[in-house]
Amino acid sequence: GQQLNQSPQSMFIQEGEDVSMNCTSSSIFNTWLWYKQEPGEGPVLLIALYKAGELTSNGRLTAQFGITRKDSFLNISASIPSDVGIYFCAATFLDNYGQNFVFGPGTRLSVLP
Amino acid sequence: EAQVTQNPRYLITVTGKKLTVTCSQNMNHEYMSWYRQDPGLGLRQIYYSMNVEVTDKGDVPEGYKVSRKEKRNFPLILESPSPNQTSLYFCASSLGGTKREQFFGPGTRLTVL
Repeated sequence: GQQLNQSPQSMFIQEGEDVSMNCTSSSIFNTWLWYKQEPGEGPVLLIALYKAGELTSNGRLTAQFGITRKDSFLNISASIPSDVGIYFCAATFLDNYGQNFVFGPGTRLSVLP
Repeated sequence: EAQVTQNPRYLITVTGKKLTVTCSQNMNHEYMSWYRQDPGLGLRQIYYSMNVEVTDKGDVPEGYKVSRKEKRNFPLILESPSPNQTSLYFCASSLGGTKREQFFGPGTRLTVL
């Protein structure tokens, strides 16, 4: 089936640093979503992207829908301790047959004070 | 408060004993979905529903059943649970159509002995 690859798998950064992570696939999608999950919680939506090339910001977070429709990246600027968590990309291709979502394996972010 | 609720939050059961995990949303969302989350594998979609009485298989449907008799509820049924279904389960919902931002429930941790 369709698969998403996320990199890096995990990262340790200093508070205040910028973070960049990405998500790639061999398949084409028409929606990319980025979620954050904290321990004991369900994933929380950060950013949704609907058009190839689209660049969207949400506070310190910026995400882009790759022009090839096969990838997306998420940047976090000036990281803070509460950014700690697992970040998942998700993608879907809505067609007449339904709306099947696929998730990446996640990037685990640790922020050191 | 707009939310997705799941019950129970924790469940320990034995092989072969039928169980149901309930999911309910109060946002009048058309689209609902079930995922399982396993270490290193991210979230994998089990079943989804585009609307009442419309359900379809996700990536890992074997061993699960769902029903969508009302818009707000989307129960997940394990007719004969097995140990390989031990996992963390999430229900999610979205408006549907072009609005694909999914909102997740708090999760149900299931252990099958």
